[in-house]
Amino acid sequence: GNSVTQMEGPVTLSEEAFLTINCTYTATGYPSLFWYVQYPGEGLQLLLKATKADDKGSNKGFEATYRKETTSFHLEKGSVQVSDSAVYFCALSDRNSGSRLTFGEGTQLTVNP
Amino acid sequence: KAGVTQTPRYLIKTRGQQVTLSCSPISGHRSVSWYQQTPGQGLQFLFEYFSETQRNKGNFPGRFSGRQFSNSRSEMNVSTLELGDSALYLCASSFQGYEQYFGPGTRLTVT
Repeated sequence: GNSVTQMEGPVTLSEEAFLTINCTYTATGYPSLFWYVQYPGEGLQLLLKATKADDKGSNKGFEATYRKETTSFHLEKGSVQVSDSAVYFCALSDRNSGSRLTFGEGTQLTVNP
Repeated sequence: KAGVTQTPRYLIKTRGQQVTLSCSPISGHRSVSWYQQTPGQGLQFLFEYFSETQRNKGNFPGRFSGRQFSNSRSEMNVSTLELGDSALYLCASSFQGYEQYFGPGTRLTVT
């Protein structure tokens, strides 16, 4: 079955630091990959997506590249802000599972001023 | 466009009771999925409805059920509540099942 593994958290950074959150996956077929963000007390917001190998998703300064050879979709941001503090989830879906999303464990990011 | 709305936002129930949660998708979206979020198990898929039919189902007991109405609104029902059902229940809608947009969730506490 499908699975997603994220780097163990939590992650604490200073403002303007570089961020990487690792995500690897196991899937049958050719999945679509997503990063979602959850702020305290809220639901999940779609941050970025990629649907095929070598696609790069980007939004609000965050980027992730779909690497089929390493089955990875690592999230990066060059300079984090305090407002980026949240929980980040890597997820996938594939045609066999329809719209069903399989999520990683989530990574808590805290950015200090 | 209005986002996904879920009601109620917070709910406290007693073991053995049943509960119904409601989700209104984004206008034009025909797919509604439900997820359970707990600290121990993370985000787990419950089921998906598309055009009033259940299209996909996760590994939850039969106490968890759902339905979708002709206007795409969906309800989720949990019967005979257990303490372990305490969770944040998230609803997500999509046009045809690809890119999903989540609501704020319903926080259910079972005492």
